[in-house]
Amino acid sequence: KAGVTQTPRYLIKTRGQQVTLSCSPISGHRSVSWYQQTPGQGLQFLFEYFSETQRNKGNFPGRFSGRQFSNSRSEMNVSTLELGDSALYLCASSLVGGNTGELFFGEGSRLTVL
Amino acid sequence: GQNIDQPTEMTATEGAIVQINCTYQTSGFNGLFWYQQHAGEAPTFLSYNVLDGLEEKGRFSSFLSRSKGYSYLLLKELQMKDSASYLCAVSSGGSYIPTFGRGTSLIVHP
Repeated sequence: KAGVTQTPRYLIKTRGQQVTLSCSPISGHRSVSWYQQTPGQGLQFLFEYFSETQRNKGNFPGRFSGRQFSNSRSEMNVSTLELGDSALYLCASSLVGGNTGELFFGEGSRLTVL
Repeated sequence: GQNIDQPTEMTATEGAIVQINCTYQTSGFNGLFWYQQHAGEAPTFLSYNVLDGLEEKGRFSSFLSRSKGYSYLLLKELQMKDSASYLCAVSSGGSYIPTFGRGTSLIVHP
């Protein structure tokens, strides 16, 4: 069974640009969550999608957005990039959204903003 | 909101036992998770506690006391491969979305 796949794995952008990250969940998983991981703040929740609807949202500015497609694949977008957006962006999938206790994480997309 | 505290770093010796503590403050507690994350890799699920008590799974055990807002992860017979970051996470309210602590970096030395 294939795991959670995130692309691209690494990318470098400059301030003011925008970026789109992709996540393919485990087959059959309908919930996709996105997290930002930095050394100073740890793992911070961005948003969760379930059946193409944003079901939960963290405390990030509107520059951070996402969507989920009918095949459960998800994308997140960050517009007008800032230096502080440099981080590892992790996607996690689960069957129904976390109440079973287990999130399956991808290896992440490491974004560097110059 | 939620407040989750765990030590930043711990060191231990191969073959020994180590206990990683996690304290939290939250309302509407649903459950507490432990994840392991090796450097440069994805976090992987270790345990999920909903009720008070100790859950044992091989060399790893996790304890929860809801009244004290306290949990610990116990690692026995430490191996070098156990060197990793251990993340405590709590879900609360109706969303079941876990909020993560900043993680404890465990270094196992020979």
